[in-house]
Amino acid sequence: DTEVTQTPKHLVMGMTNKKSLKCEQHMGHRAMYWYKQKAKKPPELMFVYSYEKLSINESVPSRFSPECPNSSLLNLHLHALQPEDSALYLCASSQGTGVLQETQYFGPGTRLLVL
Amino acid sequence: QQQVKQSPQSLIVQKGGISIINCAYENTAFDYFPWYQQFPGKGPALLIAIRPDVSEKKEGRFTISFNKSAKQFSLHIMDSQPGDSATYFCAASTDTDKLIFGTGTRLQVFP
Repeated sequence: DTEVTQTPKHLVMGMTNKKSLKCEQHMGHRAMYWYKQKAKKPPELMFVYSYEKLSINESVPSRFSPECPNSSLLNLHLHALQPEDSALYLCASSQGTGVLQETQYFGPGTRLLVL
Repeated sequence: QQQVKQSPQSLIVQKGGISIINCAYENTAFDYFPWYQQFPGKGPALLIAIRPDVSEKKEGRFTISFNKSAKQFSLHIMDSQPGDSATYFCAASTDTDKLIFGTGTRLQVFP
């Protein structure tokens, strides 16, 4: 099973809302990632968790708050977002423990619209 | 120096033809070069990857050609099929740094 699941598939939120994106994998992977992808652009790395510890934060605004409750789950908490944060948010996982050349398996993404 | 330049931006190929997408990089420390395929509404999926100790890698209809001296690598899709229509991203990384993605190529294969 090489599946990464993400919920919800679509999310519409106002600028004052608080919401969370969820990601789950059951491949025993120890590294998990959040990416942001704008239309017709490549994915941009936001965060990397390795062994449930945050190992990379790509200078992401504090209105995005990641959380890794256990080795299978990754959350992204959203608060006071701006319309320009509207994008496809992708979760990925890899077997590697922070060695970023391991094959990354991506989920289908959550399409977020901020009004 | 961290950029990966990808061309063309879009590509239209007839069924059965060869699709060729090119990427170029500057950072000589890069030593892992994957290609990702992304269908609309889906996340990217690893297609094929190469390391600089080989000049070519083939998996089915997909081949990566790698030119270390020119700092270029390319994806060839032989016998292109309508089901190959997708966006393709090249990428590069070192063993301690994140994947740097190219800008993407939208491939359309017409019957």
